[in-house]
Amino acid sequence: GAGVSQSPRYKVAKRGQDVALRCDPISGHVSLFWYQQALGQGPEFLTYFQNEAQLDKSGLPSDRFFAERPEGSVSTLKIQRTQQEDSAVYLCASSLSGLNTGELFFGEGSRLTVL
Amino acid sequence: GQQLNQSPQSMFIQEGEDVSMNCTSSSIFNTWLWYKQDPGEGPVLLIALYKAGELTSNGRLTAQFGITRKDSFLNISASIPSDVGIYFCAGQRRGSTLGRLYFGRGTQLTVWP
Repeated sequence: GAGVSQSPRYKVAKRGQDVALRCDPISGHVSLFWYQQALGQGPEFLTYFQNEAQLDKSGLPSDRFFAERPEGSVSTLKIQRTQQEDSAVYLCASSLSGLNTGELFFGEGSRLTVL
Repeated sequence: GQQLNQSPQSMFIQEGEDVSMNCTSSSIFNTWLWYKQDPGEGPVLLIALYKAGELTSNGRLTAQFGITRKDSFLNISASIPSDVGIYFCAGQRRGSTLGRLYFGRGTQLTVWP
């Protein structure tokens, strides 16, 4: 497809389970971002990749969160031992260049509910 | 946490009315952007502003980058039903990672026919 694709769209996990969320950015886009959006809030930055290099992971809320982009295209956000406070929509965004003007193309998000 | 103060939180207007919303920050921003999010979708970029004082239009939308670099506003003229959604201001803060955006809490716009 032409846009950013995320899967799964919805994920329900029991507390303590591990989850993996996938992002397929727009083909050729150098930069990839993960954001977390809690209910009724704006997105909050988690981490940033330029090609396969993770240049900023300062927004990851704990060491239970891990992201990778091994070949500089598809990215996976993994959350270990999920907690209820992890419930949110996880948005992936990409941009064409590394100049990062802020003009991001967002996917539809993966909604995670932790019971 | 959110570094941008966005207001109003929600607006209920009649079709054809003009709308104004704004965003302020205690920090200086190098870039201001306005995004719109529909239910179940990701945010979509509406307007990007790169210079203090810049005024930019996109159809019925007009946005300005404040002179102090700490605020921005978005105006929508002659609203129509498809303008319904949540509008977010976002900015790139001076000194932070390029592309790392700080978002406001959003303005929920409802347009009555």
